[in-house]
Amino acid sequence: EADIYQTPRYLVIGTGKKITLECSQTMGHDKMYWYQQDPGMELHLIHYSYGVNSTEKGDLSSESTVSRIRTEHFPLTLESARPSHTSQYLCASTEGRGYTFGSGTRLTVV
Amino acid sequence: GENVEQHPSTLSVQEGDSAVIKCTYSDSASNYFPWYKQELGKRPQLIIDIRSNVGEKKDQRIAVTLNKTAKHFSLHITETQPEDSAVYFCAAWDSNYQLIWGAGTKLIIKP
Repeated sequence: EADIYQTPRYLVIGTGKKITLECSQTMGHDKMYWYQQDPGMELHLIHYSYGVNSTEKGDLSSESTVSRIRTEHFPLTLESARPSHTSQYLCASTEGRGYTFGSGTRLTVV
Repeated sequence: GENVEQHPSTLSVQEGDSAVIKCTYSDSASNYFPWYKQELGKRPQLIIDIRSNVGEKKDQRIAVTLNKTAKHFSLHITETQPEDSAVYFCAAWDSNYQLIWGAGTKLIIKP
């Protein structure tokens, strides 16, 4: 089924660890986005991409990086996790204007 | 760039009554305005959208209105039901090919 998939769904890690959150979509969308969201709160843009080899920083991009080597894959890496990174991370994609969101990764840094 | 403001932040209505959520935007070039619903623990999902060449759009109990002159758009939910309880986000399409989001409205349906 065409959709956008995020793994893992839940992750608990120690401070200082490097982690990669995975996001893949099977819809062939060019534009992809990463958001950070505390439950029920505002969506904060971290990074976005308009296609292969294109990545841009959002408002909340510090301490994280992304890559876009394949159209369908847009992973987010936190170089050194901190307790302030505890949140939900949502990936989204679009071919036009309406976004499709993944189910999210709920990250806890202890 | 685009800026979107959304009000109220929390809205509590009696089951069966109507609910209205309002958003304003700043960039007159914006031409696409979606509304998303996010239930507790789930992903945001598109429920209705409107383009700038249309003033109103309806889908069963949900409607969206757009006033381009005043640069505001609203979500109307009639005959509210318990399953309407969620956080609702408005957004406007920016000239940088991304959605600019409102801060969200928590809708509470009282039995």
